[in-house]
Amino acid sequence: DVKVTQSSRYLVKRTGEKVFLECVQDMDHENMFWYRQDPGLGLRLIYFSYDVKMKEKGDIPEGYSVSREKKERFSLILESASTNQTSMYLCASSPPGTGGAEAEKLFFGSGTQLSVL
Amino acid sequence: GENVEQHPSTLSVQEGDSAVIKCTYSDSASNYFPWYKQELGKRPQLIIDIRSNVGEKKDQRIAVTLNKTAKHFSLHITETQPEDSAVYFCAARAYNFNKFYFGSGTKLNVKP
Repeated sequence: DVKVTQSSRYLVKRTGEKVFLECVQDMDHENMFWYRQDPGLGLRLIYFSYDVKMKEKGDIPEGYSVSREKKERFSLILESASTNQTSMYLCASSPPGTGGAEAEKLFFGSGTQLSVL
Repeated sequence: GENVEQHPSTLSVQEGDSAVIKCTYSDSASNYFPWYKQELGKRPQLIIDIRSNVGEKKDQRIAVTLNKTAKHFSLHITETQPEDSAVYFCAARAYNFNKFYFGSGTKLNVKP
């Protein structure tokens, strides 16, 4: 069973702090994603990575950066947290999209509820 | 890029009734359409998916239909039970692309 683990379930930070959200997957998946979930807005893609040290911007990358130094780990960084970044953050992973029954499935972590005060 | 719209945002049904959630997508290159269920406080879990070469797929009480021409796909839940209460998300993805585009979610409440 695929396991995607996010290091914190709840996090409270102050405005201006640098925040690291960590995500680890144990299935050797090439693709990893960071989504933000807000009521009424669904899941919005912040960044994704399709290989070590590779990253691409999603739909809402402003105010965020990412790091993928190892295949299993994908970190989301808020350089200077702001109150409008209070949200639920979901990490996900998937195999490469090259066909096959399992290749397209997205597996989610449990989420990190971040509050920025 | 792709744009996925989902309706309704909330749905309340009586136990035993059917529930239907509808999504539309904009990119004709999208060819994979999963549905995720997220129970309160838990991670989204894949419940059913459909590829563009199929018009309908069923798994017990859950079915998904796809109309490629109209760019519509729908989730049908029959004989709803209280444990079906959750937020449901539709999504779309193009083959060989890595990005999944999600709808805004439907909160389903099944009243006992």
